[in-house]
Amino acid sequence: RKEVEQDPGPFNVPEGATVAFNCTYSNSASQSFFWYRQDCRKEPKLLMSVYSSGNEDGRFTAQLNRASQYISLLIRDSKLSDSATYLCVVKTGAGSYQLTFGKGTKLSVIP
Amino acid sequence: EAQVTQNPRYLITVTGKKLTVTCSQNMNHEYMSWYRQDPGLGLRQIYYSMNVEVTDKGDVPEGYKVSRKEKRNFPLILESPSPNQTSLYFCASGTSNQPQHFGDGTRLSIL
Repeated sequence: RKEVEQDPGPFNVPEGATVAFNCTYSNSASQSFFWYRQDCRKEPKLLMSVYSSGNEDGRFTAQLNRASQYISLLIRDSKLSDSATYLCVVKTGAGSYQLTFGKGTKLSVIP
Repeated sequence: EAQVTQNPRYLITVTGKKLTVTCSQNMNHEYMSWYRQDPGLGLRQIYYSMNVEVTDKGDVPEGYKVSRKEKRNFPLILESPSPNQTSLYFCASGTSNQPQHFGDGTRLSIL
């Protein structure tokens, strides 16, 4: 079983749509969770951390379900500029430096 | 400005000609890491370093060397590059309680 699994997509959605990405992780000892965004041929950039109670940043909402080992990212009112690959990232263990990356889900927002 | 700087950004070279990709960070981070990214395979870790003079293998270390003589620098060395090392490479740095910051990437082509 892969450590961090994501649907690779691509997700092609019209502007203004709501889109949800899901991610599962295999290591129950995982402590910290993140969503990174990567534009084509560019470096990954932190989009948001994911907290146990769920968190929101503007149009973006992240949820964590530890029992199911499942993370989600919801994007509301999609913009053309949201087109990118979204990487689910997991850090295992308190004080750990190591990150495990999903392969990413590609999103294309269409006019 | 906090940043991770990689050089060169692009390099085309030939099999067997030793090369070094430099990485420098100005955030005083203990942790630094090298990844390669290939289509369909996602980000894979090559080597990482927890602190000066402390390095360890990641998932795909074969054919690579690293050193960490100073906290800010973490060069990646390909002693005898081969075509299967053609890839997009990212250096990253971080701390145990912060997500990682990535450099802009180095696109290597080994002919």
